Amino acid sequence: AQTVTQSQPEMSVQEAETVTLSCTYDTSESDYYLFWYKQPPSRQMILVIRQEAYKQQNATENRFSVNFQKAAKSFSLKISDSQLGDAAMYFCAYRTNYGGSQGNLIFGKGTKLSVKP
Amino acid sequence: DAMVIQNPRYQVTQFGKPVTLSCSQTLNHNVMYWYQQKSSQAPKLLFHYYDKDFNNEADTPDNFQSRRPNTSFCFLDIRSPGLGDAAMYLCATSRVGAHTSGSNKGPYEQYFGPGTRLTVT
Repeated sequence: AQTVTQSQPEMSVQEAETVTLSCTYDTSESDYYLFWYKQPPSRQMILVIRQEAYKQQNATENRFSVNFQKAAKSFSLKISDSQLGDAAMYFCAYRTNYGGSQGNLIFGKGTKLSVKP
Repeated sequence: DAMVIQNPRYQVTQFGKPVTLSCSQTLNHNVMYWYQQKSSQAPKLLFHYYDKDFNNEADTPDNFQSRRPNTSFCFLDIRSPGLGDAAMYLCATSRVGAHTSGSNKGPYEQYFGPGTRLTVT
């Protein structure tokens, strides 16, 4: 069974600085997707960035980028130029690409990010 | 805008009194999910519908049921809420390919609703 581990329950970053959130996962599969979701306080969960396992190039979305190390089963999220609005719970999630999963996600326990002005 | 809508946003029910939470979507996605999320924890998948096919997670209590009368709507029924059922309930949708071998490719990210905060008194 696949597992997702986020080893940092809480992180803090100064506004305009850069922060990296860690995520490791365990799987025997080679074809899968990885996601970072953001859940601001009292607001809905939204997708930040996704990475397909077969793509070697790290995904980037504006200030958000990932460092995907497939052999190491590591999928960290880097937030550059942190803004107050980035304060949220961040969840790393895994999704198999093999038949039968029906899109089910396996979530890590989350990292609570605080941004200091 | 296409979206996932949950009603009500806040629900208070009494111990043992049945309650129904509602989710609707305008995305025309074929899969709808229900999650339970307790404070500072990851969402826990309760069950999902793939079209009309209901898929229950093995550890979902029998107290939780679901209905999907059509593509757009999905309901979560809690037959006899206990104090431990107080949580945020999240609905999500996804467009997933046919789940036969070799055809389940794609990111199929999930789109979440704002959640319903359930309080049990």
